Amino acid sequence: QTVVTQEPSFSVSPGGTVTLTCGLSSGSVSTSSYPSWYQQTPGQAPRTLIYNTNTRSSGVPDRFSGSILGNKAALTITGARAVDESDYYCVLYMDSGIWVFGGGTKLTVL
Amino acid sequence: QVQLVESGGGVVQPGRSLRLSCAASGFTFSSYGMHWVRQAPGKGLEWVAVISYDGSDKYYADSVRGRFTISRGNSKNTLYLQINSLRPEDTAVYYCAKAARTVTTPLQYWGQGTLVTVSS
Repeated sequence: QTVVTQEPSFSVSPGGTVTLTCGLSSGSVSTSSYPSWYQQTPGQAPRTLIYNTNTRSSGVPDRFSGSILGNKAALTITGARAVDESDYYCVLYMDSGIWVFGGGTKLTVL
Repeated sequence: QVQLVESGGGVVQPGRSLRLSCAASGFTFSSYGMHWVRQAPGKGLEWVAVISYDGSDKYYADSVRGRFTISRGNSKNTLYLQINSLRPEDTAVYYCAKAARTVTTPLQYWGQGTLVTVSS
């Protein structure tokens, strides 16, 4: 079974830029996987940041952007802020109606 | 604005059944696919199931296929998840989410979740 891979953790300095990635254990991520990104803080429901590779959800600051980098989907945060310290999840469409989440990346801003 | 409110969670004994509901408002419910996602305590998100706008297409994660049934009542603007033969590993917060459009489009809006605890 294909696994969706994410970095378990990442650290960025305030004001810095960080790129989180979302890959497949076998194969490449493309726009046909409709990669999407979600932010979650402890005790809260997930919040949609980016869907369909690079469409920013309503109200999401433009410091968040999505793209395909090589064979992975990517979420880039430009000018990271303390409030961005959260868990980030990607989800990919696997075909035949099936979706799979990655294991999530815990982002620390310090 | 889009609102999704889950209900039906609680403490349930292993082997019993439970039906979760998700009341939708703020959009034309009958025009959109809808997802269920769960999150076990301290774990990541797990996609569970998706249903098409008219209920004709349903897809499930391998981990729940055969025990979970997703359905919808478009006249009531409500999404459902029937869970049978509950197991301790089904303990999780269950979220409903609106798709961007069809079953092949991503999760766009989320509810606040309902907690299911399976314990004797």
